[in-house]
Amino acid sequence: TQTVSQSDAHVTVFEGDSVELRCNYSYGGSIYLSWYIQHHGHGLQFLLKYYSGNPVVQGVNGFEAEFSKSDSSFHLRKASVHWSDSAVYFCAVSAAGANTGKLTFGHGTILRVHP
Amino acid sequence: DPKIIQKPKYLVAVTGSEKILICEQYLGHNAMYWYRQSAKKPLEFMFSYSYQKLMDNQTASSRFQPQSSKKNHLDLQITALKPDDSATYFCASSQDPGFTEVFFGKGTRLTVV
Repeated sequence: TQTVSQSDAHVTVFEGDSVELRCNYSYGGSIYLSWYIQHHGHGLQFLLKYYSGNPVVQGVNGFEAEFSKSDSSFHLRKASVHWSDSAVYFCAVSAAGANTGKLTFGHGTILRVHP
Repeated sequence: DPKIIQKPKYLVAVTGSEKILICEQYLGHNAMYWYRQSAKKPLEFMFSYSYQKLMDNQTASSRFQPQSSKKNHLDLQITALKPDDSATYFCASSQDPGFTEVFFGKGTRLTVV
């Protein structure tokens, strides 16, 4: 069974600040880790994913995430946020294999960026 | 220009009734999914279909029945509706079931009164 924990329900920053959204997971096998963003009233949009190789992966709009096997983490970061980054961010895991599109999500972190 | 179309956007239903949520994707994908997002639970996987065949079903109730009349359609029929079924239902798709990049529709918000 896969579980995903996003410890921060809300994060508030100012425009231009850096931000880190935390994600921890548990799963015994080979997995994909990904981040999705959901703007109010919209469906989720894919940001980035990790499976293997370089533990730091780059995504769209300046987002990156770093995988740590020792910490079972996949934290999302952005060096300088914009007000339009305000949204809900979901971390997700899926088992590598034939049904990788079956995602298990965390509860989400609401990011609020003040202008 | 939405590539995954869900209809209707909002839906109010009476307890005990039956509704069908429509989903069409124009991405040429072979795998389609339904997810549910409610106030009480995180976004949760319901079904996955690949080439119009059911791959996985994580819903406990047979009241939820996906219907795939065409490769790019995956409707969701819900019978004997209950207030606890109130949620936003998201249709999604991916190139193949082994792809982790999943594309989501805008959702159908269902309220059962």
